[in-house]
Amino acid sequence: AAGVIQSPRHLIKEKRETATLKCYPIPRHDTVYWYQQGPGQDPQFLISFYEKMQSDKGSIPDRFSAQQFSDYHSELNMSSLELGDSALYFCASSLYGTGGTEAFFGQGTRLTVV
Amino acid sequence: GNSVTQMEGPVTLSEEAFLTINCTYTATGYPSLFWYVQYPGEGLQLLLKATKADDKGSNKGFEATYRKETTSFHLEKGSVQVSDSAVYFCALSRGAGGTSYGKLTFGQGTILTVHP
Repeated sequence: AAGVIQSPRHLIKEKRETATLKCYPIPRHDTVYWYQQGPGQDPQFLISFYEKMQSDKGSIPDRFSAQQFSDYHSELNMSSLELGDSALYFCASSLYGTGGTEAFFGQGTRLTVV
Repeated sequence: GNSVTQMEGPVTLSEEAFLTINCTYTATGYPSLFWYVQYPGEGLQLLLKATKADDKGSNKGFEATYRKETTSFHLEKGSVQVSDSAVYFCALSRGAGGTSYGKLTFGQGTILTVHP
């Protein structure tokens, strides 16, 4: 079965650079969620989108922005990167409504800021 | 706000031992409850879930029962294997439907190591 695809799997950036993370949800899933997991930490919800509109917002820094496109894939844009942004970034997808009762996670993008 | 508290780890067991990882939650309304597992270098995999009180989620020998009266969702397995070594996260979502399922509040995670 198709899963959530994230790219790239690993990314190394320097401070103050910009990074773009991509997420391709499971086919027919219309909702995408982004999470940030720091070293030894639990995942923290950043932001979510349903039908290309932001549906919820968590602890996402102002330096970060995200969007969902017409094919439902999503991109997380991160600017002015800081060392503290080094983390594992997860994307998850789900199906709106009672058709689905869980979110499926991708394998994550490991971002290292040096 | 919503919160999830897991027992502190790490937990180290011998193969075939009994496993319990405690999880309690604070939430308004009727949240859905989940256990996710994260193997080294991997993403989060849903282990089991329960969407209403007294539901029992089960998978791969793991079980957890949604106890509203004690606001708990403890994870149990009767006989652990070396391959169960991973980090286990208890999580909740706000409830049924809509975009609720994917906005999860996680516990701090419990590292489980199983020795042969």
